[in-house]
Amino acid sequence: AQKITQTQPGMFVQEKEAVTLDCTYDTSDPSYGLFWYKQPSSGEMIFLIYQGSYDQQNATEGRYSLNFQKARKSANLVISASQLGDSAMYFCAMREVNTGGFKTIFGAGTRLFVKA
Amino acid sequence: DVKVTQSSRYLVKRTGEKVFLECVQDMDHENMFWYRQDPGLGLRLIYFSYDVKMKEKGDIPEGYSVSREKKERFSLILESASTNQTSMYLCASYGTGYSPLHFGNGTRLTVT
Repeated sequence: AQKITQTQPGMFVQEKEAVTLDCTYDTSDPSYGLFWYKQPSSGEMIFLIYQGSYDQQNATEGRYSLNFQKARKSANLVISASQLGDSAMYFCAMREVNTGGFKTIFGAGTRLFVKA
Repeated sequence: DVKVTQSSRYLVKRTGEKVFLECVQDMDHENMFWYRQDPGLGLRLIYFSYDVKMKEKGDIPEGYSVSREKKERFSLILESASTNQTSMYLCASYGTGYSPLHFGNGTRLTVT
């Protein structure tokens, strides 16, 4: 069965430093996609980055990169040069297309606090 | 730009009332979803739909039903609201494959 685990309820990082948010997943489907979303205090959900299970290279989008370790079933989000505006909830999500019936499931989230 | 619109931002209902949460998307997406978000639990999938009149149960469907009569509209129904259904409800949609979900702004429902 699909499962996403985010083990860090809260994280602190100093402004301008890098931070890694952990995400592990469980699936028996060889074909799946992994997503990260940001939810600021305003409540909107913002898509950040996507990694496909067959992608050979780690995904990058600006200051965001995804450290994809397929054998370990982990998809950690790395934010470089943290900014105060990065303070938010971050959710890891997974979609299995073959066995998951189009659905996307989410982890419990990590709240990131960026300190000035 | 994709727009997913939820009809209410805040809603207060009484126990036992029938509650309708409406969601409309404007990008002809096949797939639509209802999640509830609770602190420490993340987003949990209630129901989803991959086509008109098609629906599938998510992980926590008990106490809820859905309706999708038109492609752009996906409604979540609480047949008899209970206090444990007080939560933030998020609607989302996507087109095909591994395209990202687009979310509405959420409806914060309080059942008293």
